[in-house]
Parts: sequence; structure tokens; C-alpha cells
Amino acid sequence: AQTVTQSQPEMSVQEAETVTLSCTYDTSESNYYLFWYKQPPSRQMILVIRQEAYKQQNATENRFSVNFQKAAKSFSLKISDSQLGDTAMYFCAFILTSGTYKYIFGTGTRLKVLA
Amino acid sequence: DGGITQSPKYLFRKEGQNVTLSCEQNLNHDAMYWYRQDPGQGLRLIYYSQIVNDFQKGDIAEGYSVSREKKESFPLTVTSAQKNPTAFYLCASSIDRGAMGPQHFGDGTRLSIL
Repeated sequence: AQTVTQSQPEMSVQEAETVTLSCTYDTSESNYYLFWYKQPPSRQMILVIRQEAYKQQNATENRFSVNFQKAAKSFSLKISDSQLGDTAMYFCAFILTSGTYKYIFGTGTRLKVLA
Repeated sequence: DGGITQSPKYLFRKEGQNVTLSCEQNLNHDAMYWYRQDPGQGLRLIYYSQIVNDFQKGDIAEGYSVSREKKESFPLTVTSAQKNPTAFYLCASSIDRGAMGPQHFGDGTRLSIL
């Protein structure tokens, strides 16, 4: 069975600093997609960044970047120049490219950006 | 603008009552999903549908039912058999049968017991 583990239930970071959220996953498949979602206090789930497993290059979206280590099954999210608006729950998720179309989510990391 | 609309935003259920949560999307997505989120926890999959007139149970389907009569609509009924329905419910959709795109989410419905 596929699983996603986010080992940091809560984290905090000072405004303008950099923070890294960890995510590990377990699957015997080799083709899949990985995602980070953000859920601010408004509860709207927002896609932050996406990574295709077949791509070696790490995805980046402005201040957000990932460190994808396929052999280690690790998919961490780095937030640079943290802003107060980054305060949210962050969920790591993945889906296989074949078979069941279920997304597997981690339990989330609550990030608080401090002024 | 395309998106997913969930209604109502807040819903109250009496003991023994069935209630239905609405989810409509105008993104022309094939796949739709229902998740339950309890305080401080992640998302748990209730049901999902890859195509009209077809759906599959997720990890916590007991006490819930769905239908998928139209591509754009995927309502969730919380039945009286669901003994602990108080939670935040999120509906999502994704672009195609391969579901290789990210999921798009609605704003959620908060269900409480009266």
C-alpha cells in the first residue's frame, strides 16, 4: 500500500527566513506525480507545486522549491523569504500514473510564520 | 472563471437525518472526489468517481453515499448510519481519467450535529 509521511506536525519560521518541510512516501511503483498543497485558515486547498517522478530536475515556483530524491523517496518543500501569508497547513500528496486514481495525502504540517 | 462550488458552507444535521452536500464543477474534469477532514488531521477519501455513472469507495465510505449522474455534479449524502459526521468536507476534481493533473478543491462544507 502507498503511504505518505509528514513527520513534522508543526513548525515555525521568522518572516524572511527559509524553512523546509519534509515528506517521505512509500510505493513500489516508479511512475507517479507528487504535490504540495497549502491550506490557509480559510480552509481553501491550494496547489503549491508539482513534480513528475520521471523528471530529475527539481520543480520551482517562485519562492517555493522542492528537493526530490527518488531513491530515498523523499519530497521536501523549501519556502524561501517566508511571508506572513505562508502561514497554513501544508500537505504532501502523490498519485500513481496507472491503476487506481486515488491521491494519497500526508497528515500535514502546520507552519506558522512569525513577524 | 472555472471552479468547484460546494454548498452549503455550513450544514447542521439532526439525529437520524440524511443530509446531502452539493459539489458542482465547471472545469470539464472527469474525476471527482470527496474527502473528510477532522480537526488537525489530514484528508481521508470517502468516495471518488472517474467517469459519469461510475464511482468507487474510498477509505471511509461507510455511512456515506454518492451519485454521478452528470459530469459536473457529484453530491455526497451523509446518512443516519454515519454516527460521527461532524467534520469539514472537501470536494475536488482533476482533469482526466489518468488524474495526472493536480486536484482542484472547493471551499468546503462544515457539517455539525444539532
